[in-house]
Order: sequence, then structure tokens, then C-alpha cells
Amino acid sequence: DVKVTQSSRYLVKRTGEKVFLECVQDMDHENMFWYRQDPGLGLRLIYFSYDVKMKEKGDIPEGYSVSREKKERFSLILESASTNQTSMYLCASSLMTGAYEQYFGPGTRLTVT
Amino acid sequence: KNEVEQSPQNLTAQEGEFITINCSYSVGISALHWLQQHPGGGIVSLFMLSSGKKKHGRLIATINIQEKHSSLHITASHPRDSAVYICAGTSQETSGSRLTFGEGTQLTVNP
Repeated sequence: DVKVTQSSRYLVKRTGEKVFLECVQDMDHENMFWYRQDPGLGLRLIYFSYDVKMKEKGDIPEGYSVSREKKERFSLILESASTNQTSMYLCASSLMTGAYEQYFGPGTRLTVT
Repeated sequence: KNEVEQSPQNLTAQEGEFITINCSYSVGISALHWLQQHPGGGIVSLFMLSSGKKKHGRLIATINIQEKHSSLHITASHPRDSAVYICAGTSQETSGSRLTFGEGTQLTVNP
């Protein structure tokens, strides 16, 4: 079974802090994704990566950056956290480009105060 | 207008009822996904289909490519089916394996 893990289930940070959210998958998947999920807005893509050191902006990249130094790990970085970044963050992976299932991590509920 | 639309947004059923959730899309897709999200956040992929029909236990998913429409059916519903069900398409028009999501259907099955 594919396993996607995220570093924290719940996280509380202060405005202006630098925040790292880590995601690890154990099935050698090429593609990895970061989403945020907000009530009434559904799932929105922040960034995705289709290979090591490769990244592409999603629909809402502002205020975020990402890093993928190893195939299994994809990090989401909030350079200076703001209250409007309070949300549920979900990581996912898929085997490769094309119509493949995405496997989701358990999510990190981030609160920025 | 969203590229992927689901109906209904909320659905309440009694245990044992047959349930249908609908999904319509306006973009070209190479595959249609049905996802399930239980309270607490984790999302599980139920089906990925590009034509016809798939069945897994009490769940059935169908897709009509010409009409750009998919349905998720749950037979003999049970309270443990209570969850948010999300329809998503793998778009033909964007790079990678990006999904375009519907807003989800909140299903509550009462005992």
C-alpha cells in the first residue's frame, strides 16, 4: 500500500514565523502535490512537483514556496505565516504524469495566530 | 461556473437507502476520480474511471463521456458511509496529473 505521511497533524504558529510542512511518500512516485482545503472553497492546488528539483505553480502559490531535494520528500514552506494561511494542508502523490490515482496524506491543520 | 460541479451539496439519508451523487464537468478530462473524506481530514481514492462503470462492494461509479457526467451510487447505505464525497477530473488541458475538484457532497446516513 502507498503511504503518504505528513510531519504534523496539528500545528499552531504565530504571524510572521517561517513554517515548514513536510510530506513523505514511500512508493517511488514521481508526482507530488500540496493542496489547501477551506470550507466552501474545496481543495485548491498550491504547488506540485513532477520530479526531483522540479516544481510548478498551482492555482494559489502566493505566499508559499516548495522544495523537493529527494524523490520521496516534498516540503511546503510558508516564508512569513499570515492568519489567512490558517487552513488544512494536504499532500498527495501519484505514480507519474497522466491519469493516475492520487494518494493523500492525513493532512496538517495549521492555525496561524 | 466551476469546471467540475457536484450535486447535491448536502444529502441526508436513512440507513439502507440507495444514494446517488452526481458530477458534471465542462473541461476535457482523461479520467474522473471519486474521493471520500471522513471527518478528521484523510482523503481516500474510491474510483478512477475513464469509461463505463466500476464497482467495489456497495459502491458503484459510472461515467458518460458524451454527456460529461458521472455518478456515484451507494447501495444499502450505512452510517459509516457518512463522509464528504469529492469528484475530480484529471484535465487534458493542464500539465502533469493535476486534478480539478468539485466542491464535495456532504453525506449523512442516519441509523
